[in-house]
Amino acid sequence: DAGVTQSPTHLIKTRGQQVTLRCSPKSGHDTVSWYQQALGQGPQFIFQYYEEEERQRGNFPDRFSGHQFPNYSSELNVNALLLGDSALYLCASSWGTFRNSPLHFGNGTRLTVT
Amino acid sequence: AQSVSQHNHHVILSEAASLELGCNYSYGGTVNLFWYVQYPGQHLQLLLKYFSGDPLVKGIKGFEAEFIKSKFSFNLRKPSVQWSDTAEYFCAVKGNDYKLSFGAGTTVTVRA
Repeated sequence: DAGVTQSPTHLIKTRGQQVTLRCSPKSGHDTVSWYQQALGQGPQFIFQYYEEEERQRGNFPDRFSGHQFPNYSSELNVNALLLGDSALYLCASSWGTFRNSPLHFGNGTRLTVT
Repeated sequence: AQSVSQHNHHVILSEAASLELGCNYSYGGTVNLFWYVQYPGQHLQLLLKYFSGDPLVKGIKGFEAEFIKSKFSFNLRKPSVQWSDTAEYFCAVKGNDYKLSFGAGTTVTVRA
């Protein structure tokens, strides 16, 4: 089962640095969404990519940016890292941007900012 | 924008006990409702979903949820839990903006 794969699984960065996280969607899916899950909280929506464009965005600063490639894989970039960016970053894929399209999640990338 | 509230942060119960997790949302329009589960060390998985029709929906592993529109609620239930149901459970709502909003989650610990 070609589920959602994310890399790396863990990452440690220093304040002010930049980080890139990667995601390959489930086979057959063309839409990728990114979520941030802080400790003890539910996932918070960052943005969604479809047809290589950002379609929706949550309440995250411009330091958070992304990209989707022609093969539907995606990257999440965070610039000027802050301690508060430490979290589990989840990628989820779906088919299309329909409201009733269930999301399939990856295992996440654990980012620690020191 | 919609928001989701889960009533319990941590629930501890014994095997064979019944489980009910509360979820309320705030959103005036049409919603799609979901329950996700995250077992220790695993990714978030869809337990069940409600789009329309029968407000009582059945999901995997014996779980069910009831949508009560008048109460803006979507509570999750299981008549008899097993040790393997130990996990974190998230209620989620998708409104007209198509963004999926999650509650803070409820940790369920089932004692053998």
